[in-house]
Amino acid sequence: DTGVSQDPRHKITKRGQNVTFRCDPISEHNRLYWYRQTLGQGPEFLTYFQNEAQLEKSRLLSDRFSAERPKGSFSTLEIQRTEQGDSAMYLCASSPRGAGEQETQYFGPGTRLLVL
Amino acid sequence: AQSVTQLGSHVSVSEGALVLLRCNYSSSVPPYLFWYVQYPNQGLQLLLKYTTGATLVKGINGFEAEFKKSETSFHLTKPSAHMSDAAEYFCAVSVLTGTASKLTFGTGTRLQVTL
Repeated sequence: DTGVSQDPRHKITKRGQNVTFRCDPISEHNRLYWYRQTLGQGPEFLTYFQNEAQLEKSRLLSDRFSAERPKGSFSTLEIQRTEQGDSAMYLCASSPRGAGEQETQYFGPGTRLLVL
Repeated sequence: AQSVTQLGSHVSVSEGALVLLRCNYSSSVPPYLFWYVQYPNQGLQLLLKYTTGATLVKGINGFEAEFKKSETSFHLTKPSAHMSDAAEYFCAVSVLTGTASKLTFGTGTRLQVTL
């Protein structure tokens, strides 16, 4: 169990550019979550995958955001035409099969995005 | 809708003193409650969680929390603070919607430990 990994750890981009982040969950975890954490706030739910299916998206996830999990393993989160308000820490979490609402979500170290 | 309120964005204690971080929740259904810790430039690590059963929950690093339904609280305590406890602490409630178990977090409490 190597834990959840995220890449890159830091990203600086200019407004209007596209960025893509990657998350590798704990192996055999079929559930994968993306959260966003802005300065001084707790993480906020963005989207959720069960295997390769994206089952829920928050209203925070505007049409500039897209997430995929093509083979039910790693996931990518892309932000198109970045805005300064997108500056935040993007956290990925995974949890094992069939855990339900009692499940523990295991978080990665996050990708910190700064949009200039 | 579920929500979490953490009273006190910053708490400072002396090394060896009692740590008390407050969390109140709002939930229309029996809640599942979590405390996570975040060290600088790192992700969140689970400290402990309450699901069902015993209301006093023990976690890692000597932390514990007590679920009090009548007070809608889930305060985090540690008898004796250590310098290594300095971090940000988040209380969260789990919401099951469809098949997703979303965590709703409080705004966090930054714990400072002084000599």
